[in-house]
Amino acid sequence: AQSVTQPDIHITVSEGASLELRCNYSYGATPYLFWYVQSPGQGLQLLLKYFSGDTLVQGIKGFEAEFKRSQSSFNLRKPSVHWSDAAEYFCAVGDGSNYQLIWGAGTKLIIKP
Amino acid sequence: DAGVIQSPRHEVTEMGQEVTLRCKPISGHDYLFWYRQTMMRGLELLIYFNNNVPIDDSGMPEDRFSAKMPNASFSTLKIQPSEPRDSAVYFCASSPPRPNYGYTFGSGTRLTVV
Repeated sequence: AQSVTQPDIHITVSEGASLELRCNYSYGATPYLFWYVQSPGQGLQLLLKYFSGDTLVQGIKGFEAEFKRSQSSFNLRKPSVHWSDAAEYFCAVGDGSNYQLIWGAGTKLIIKP
Repeated sequence: DAGVIQSPRHEVTEMGQEVTLRCKPISGHDYLFWYRQTMMRGLELLIYFNNNVPIDDSGMPEDRFSAKMPNASFSTLKIQPSEPRDSAVYFCASSPPRPNYGYTFGSGTRLTVV
């Protein structure tokens, strides 16, 4: 069965430091991969996505993610975080056959001043 | 485009009352999804529609929940009767018929049943 694992429930990072949020998936074919961000009291906003081509994808707000097929991973990165990046981040996987996405449990990012 | 619009943003109701949540998807988005989010269970897909037709409602928790999509620009999620354990944030999301596009979410309805 398809699954998505975000191993870190919480991550604390100092403002200005680099960030990497992990996402591992279990899926047979090449999946469609997404990262979403949810600020407190808001809906989920699409940060970036991968479905083919260059395995390093750029998104909004200065985020990027790299698809590594050999590791079944799609980790999210940002070189320098800002206090406004404090939010919850969700990784999701789809296969394109039924438009349903499988969601990770989310990683809450806390920014230290 | 105004995005996916949900109403109300907040709803407080007494146990046993009927609750109706509303969603207007983005024009041209053929797929509409209803999700529930709680601390304990995270994001749960309740039901989704394609071209106004329910495709998968296996996530609807019980018969107290029902969803309709009478036309391409409007959907409702109804809970009757409501119970305290229904308290959650309910999200609507829509997508065009391109599986690599991703979903656009509304801002959600925070439901509190007392």
